[in-house]
Amino acid sequence: DTEVTQTPKHLVMGMTNKKSLKCEQHMGHRAMYWYKQKAKKPPELMFVYSYEKLSINESVPSRFSPECPNSSLLNLHLHALQPEDSALYLCASSQGRSSGEQFFGPGTRLTVL
Amino acid sequence: GQQVMQIPQYQHVQEGEDFTTYCNSSTTLSNIQWYKQRPGGHPVFLIQLVKSGEVKKQKRLTFQFGEAKKNSSLHITATQTTDVGTYFCAEIQGAQKLVFGQGTRLTINP
Repeated sequence: DTEVTQTPKHLVMGMTNKKSLKCEQHMGHRAMYWYKQKAKKPPELMFVYSYEKLSINESVPSRFSPECPNSSLLNLHLHALQPEDSALYLCASSQGRSSGEQFFGPGTRLTVL
Repeated sequence: GQQVMQIPQYQHVQEGEDFTTYCNSSTTLSNIQWYKQRPGGHPVFLIQLVKSGEVKKQKRLTFQFGEAKKNSSLHITATQTTDVGTYFCAEIQGAQKLVFGQGTRLTINP
């Protein structure tokens, strides 16, 4: 299985809502990532988990809260988002070495009203 | 960290024509990766270059890493409609931080 899955595919939420994005991989990868991608822009790294520990937080606002329950799962909890947070949220995984390809999921397209 | 500069931003070609996108950095790159993102899709890894002067080929795609490790290019020979998408170069900075170039969006007239 060389696939990263993400749910939901689409999400519309109000600024007062709380929602969660989910990501799963069964490739035995030990590093997992969250990226944010705005239209016609490259993906921007948000968080990195390595061996289930948060290793990189790219100064992301606290209204985004990542969680790694186990080595296969990655969540992104959302609370009190702003309309400018509307974007495609991509999850990725890699073997965890300092180099090597990253496998991306299909993404969750988030709209904040 | 520095971001790699990628040009051109857009490229429109006739099917069968060649296509090249370039990435440049003011500092030495430890490595360079290339990804393709189809319209409405997600980035898919194409290749990683690590060695100075490295050249790798995948069918009609040729990837090069400059001798000084400050630039890289992706060349597609005889484009096909399946090549449509945005091509990103990216560098791993530090341990696991992947930093993408701005991307080159390729459109093809059949």
